[in-house]
Amino acid sequence: KQEVTQIPAALSVPEGENLVLNCSFTDSAIYNLQWFRQDPGKGLTSLLLIQSSQREQTSGRLNASLDKSSGRSTLYIAASQPGDSATYLCAVRPGANNLFFGTGTRLTVIP
Amino acid sequence: NAGVTQTPKFRVLKTGQSMTLLCAQDMNHEYMYWYRQDPGMGLRLIHYSVGEGTTAKGEVPDGYNVSRLKKQNFLLGLESAAPSQTSVYFCASSTWTGSSEAFFGQGTRLTVV
Repeated sequence: KQEVTQIPAALSVPEGENLVLNCSFTDSAIYNLQWFRQDPGKGLTSLLLIQSSQREQTSGRLNASLDKSSGRSTLYIAASQPGDSATYLCAVRPGANNLFFGTGTRLTVIP
Repeated sequence: NAGVTQTPKFRVLKTGQSMTLLCAQDMNHEYMYWYRQDPGMGLRLIHYSVGEGTTAKGEVPDGYNVSRLKKQNFLLGLESAAPSQTSVYFCASSTWTGSSEAFFGQGTRLTVV
């Protein structure tokens, strides 16, 4: 069974710092990987989708990379802001039937 | 842009009561999913549907039933609620290919007392 791990579980950084969130998965047979943001008590907002054939995707201050062969992805956030404070989830898709989620990294950006 | 809409947003049930959660999507997606989110465990798949009239079990299907009578709607039912079903429930939808993006609803927070 696919296992997805996110490290660290929680992270606090001062405003303006660049940071990296990590996601690892055990089975490299995936179609894509998706990064989500979840605010407390809210739903999941899709941030970036990386297809298995891609190495990275960028959206504004966010950059996600994928190394399928090693089972790793990173989410890079540049010039962090207090509004970036949230839980970040990664999910891998081995097929159309399911996404496997990590337990997330809770990010706090301190003004 | 409605996307994926879940109702209700909050609910408190007594043990043994039944209820139905409704998920509606307006993107003409074939696939729909129900997940539950529990602290420290991430999201886990309960049931999913690959199209109108079809459903299948996910990782944690026990105690739940589902129906997909219309393509845009996916219902999750609890016939006899138990405290172990206290959770946040999320519905999602996507197109039929494995490479497509999944879209999630805002969640339903269910407490069973």
